Amino acid sequence: DAKTTQPPSMDCAEGRAANLPCNHSTISGNEYVYWYRQIHSQGPQYIIHGLKNNETNEMASLIITEDRKSSTLILPHATLRDTAVYYCIVAFYKLSFGAGTTVTVRA
Amino acid sequence: DAGVTQSPTHLIKTRGQHVTLRCSPISGHKSVSWYQQVLGQGPQFIFQYYEKEERGRGNFPDRFSARQFPNYSSELNVNALLLGDSALYLCASSHSGDSTDTQYFGPGTRLTVL
Repeated sequence: DAKTTQPPSMDCAEGRAANLPCNHSTISGNEYVYWYRQIHSQGPQYIIHGLKNNETNEMASLIITEDRKSSTLILPHATLRDTAVYYCIVAFYKLSFGAGTTVTVRA
Repeated sequence: DAGVTQSPTHLIKTRGQHVTLRCSPISGHKSVSWYQQVLGQGPQFIFQYYEKEERGRGNFPDRFSARQFPNYSSELNVNALLLGDSALYLCASSHSGDSTDTQYFGPGTRLTVL
């Protein structure tokens, strides 16, 4: 499985956009980019996924570079409830979680 | 619609004992995957089942086994428990387990081995 690199932590102001970067330079052509988040001791929550094109849903937007070696998750208007560990995963069918980025949204 | 459910919520066992964890997938989902999450780390893949057949297995010892039933629910069994097996055990379900299929996680079972 391709490995991902994420910053260990980042802060964000409430109401502002949060941009979470992820590097996945060894991604294979058939691997998707998935984003999940996990709020303390709960099960991971699916956010969004994509293969090549940018994707948007009610929670977030996913921007994938043309060479697919990196991506950015955008939370358009962060709230305090968005405080969580965010995992960027590249996967074919099984999910391989790394350490993720601990995002703290501050009032 | 109900999400993925897992039972029990919490469990305390002693070393050497055996444990069975249960998972019910989202209605209509035929694939179940199991993950182990040790405190401070991300979840690690243990098994994936689809239509009662094992589709994938992670790097876990043979003490770990699982099965899927005709109603697509699943059990994870761990024998000869070690202190290091203390973790949050997560179950995820998806329609078919294919690469395009999103996996949805349950709340997990917190296992403590004393």
